[in-house]
Amino acid sequence: DIQLTQSPSSLSASVGDRVTFTCQASHDISNYLNWYQQKPGRAPKLLIYDASNLQTGVPSRFSGSGSGTDFTLTISSLQPEDIATYYCQHYDNLPLFGGGTKVEI
Amino acid sequence: QVQLQESGPGLVKPLQTLSLTCTVSGASISSGTHYWSWIRQHPGKGLEYIGYIFYSGSTYYNPSLKSRLSISVDTSKNQFSLRLTSVTAADTAVYYCARGLDRYDHWGQGTLVTVSS
Repeated sequence: DIQLTQSPSSLSASVGDRVTFTCQASHDISNYLNWYQQKPGRAPKLLIYDASNLQTGVPSRFSGSGSGTDFTLTISSLQPEDIATYYCQHYDNLPLFGGGTKVEI
Repeated sequence: QVQLQESGPGLVKPLQTLSLTCTVSGASISSGTHYWSWIRQHPGKGLEYIGYIFYSGSTYYNPSLKSRLSISVDTSKNQFSLRLTSVTAADTAVYYCARGLDRYDHWGQGTLVTVSS
């Protein structure tokens, strides 16, 4: 079974910082990796699909990259409204989510 | 725009059945263009996939829940539903309905279901 490991589990940054966090798959998953943002008390929101495609309506400061086993989500200039937990997700026989990275300011 | 809304009891007794319904607006389940999923999140934890249904009634269930789980669809009401039997405290979670198979682009707001006597 594929496993998704996100790191770090949490990070603290300042407004305007470039923030990067990673998702590592236990097996090659090509580019079948999505990223979500979840704010406290809210449902997750799709940010990036197929590793690098920006979902409609998502600010361009978000970007995704990677393929195979190593993936990255980058926020080019952190904004106060970006405080959230970010999850990666892969679809195989069973859709699977990573453990999340909590971003704080 | 596409909206999903979960409804159902917020409190279920142990060993009873958890039943939730997701009402879809702004999109037609019967169009056959999307799959419709259930996902849950235990308090303070990550996300767990429950299962999906297609307009035709075909389903997929998480193997860890399969023996207790049933997902159904009512295209006339543009709704799909989840039934989870013999619940325990481990089933306490926020339950989300969402649109999609390999990625989930629209979600309901989520509903907290607590299993307690």
